[in-house]
Amino acid sequence: EPEVTQTPSHQVTQMGQEVILRCVPISNHLYFYWYRQILGQKVEFLVSFYNNEISEKSEIFDDQFSVERPDGSNFTLKIRSTKLEDSAMYFCASSDRTGGTDTQYFGPGTRLTVL
Amino acid sequence: GDSVTQMEGPVTLSEEAFLTINCTYTATGYPSLFWYVQYPGEGLQLLLKATKADDKGSNKGFEATYRKETTSFHLEKGSVQVSDSAVYFCSSNRGGSEKLVFGKGTKLTVNP
Repeated sequence: EPEVTQTPSHQVTQMGQEVILRCVPISNHLYFYWYRQILGQKVEFLVSFYNNEISEKSEIFDDQFSVERPDGSNFTLKIRSTKLEDSAMYFCASSDRTGGTDTQYFGPGTRLTVL
Repeated sequence: GDSVTQMEGPVTLSEEAFLTINCTYTATGYPSLFWYVQYPGEGLQLLLKATKADDKGSNKGFEATYRKETTSFHLEKGSVQVSDSAVYFCSSNRGGSEKLVFGKGTKLTVNP
């Protein structure tokens, strides 16, 4: 069964450093998402991406964040200058159609630890 | 804004016990509702969904009914198994928005 994959599974970085989290969505999907979950808190939406542009983003997704689909298979989340509060589990998801009834398929997550 | 509130965990049950995990939502309009499950070391997997009032989603013995009058989508299973041990997330998705809004998750442990 096709699945969303994410690398690395765990990333440790120093405050102020740039990190890139990588995702490979399901191959025929066209809609891509990033969510995060700070330890003990809710899973929060960050951004959605379609047709090479951001279609929706939350207030969390400020100028420190960017997303890119650099080729036909990868979808990346870049945090330009990490802060301690960016420590969280980051989930990538993809779907083949937007709208309220569509299923978003999630990857296993990347745990980001900012020291 | 839209929000989802679900029962705090952890929940510990014996095998074959009845499970209920409560979930209520606030949303403008008529959202679609979902339960996702996360097994240890894995991503979020869709367990079941319902897209309109009075719909019942079901999968793997789990059920949840979309109750508009009580704005609820409680998850139930009549007889849990050890393999059901996981974290369960209730979520909603308002039509016209792509984002899923999640509850905090409820960790379920089923003992043999």
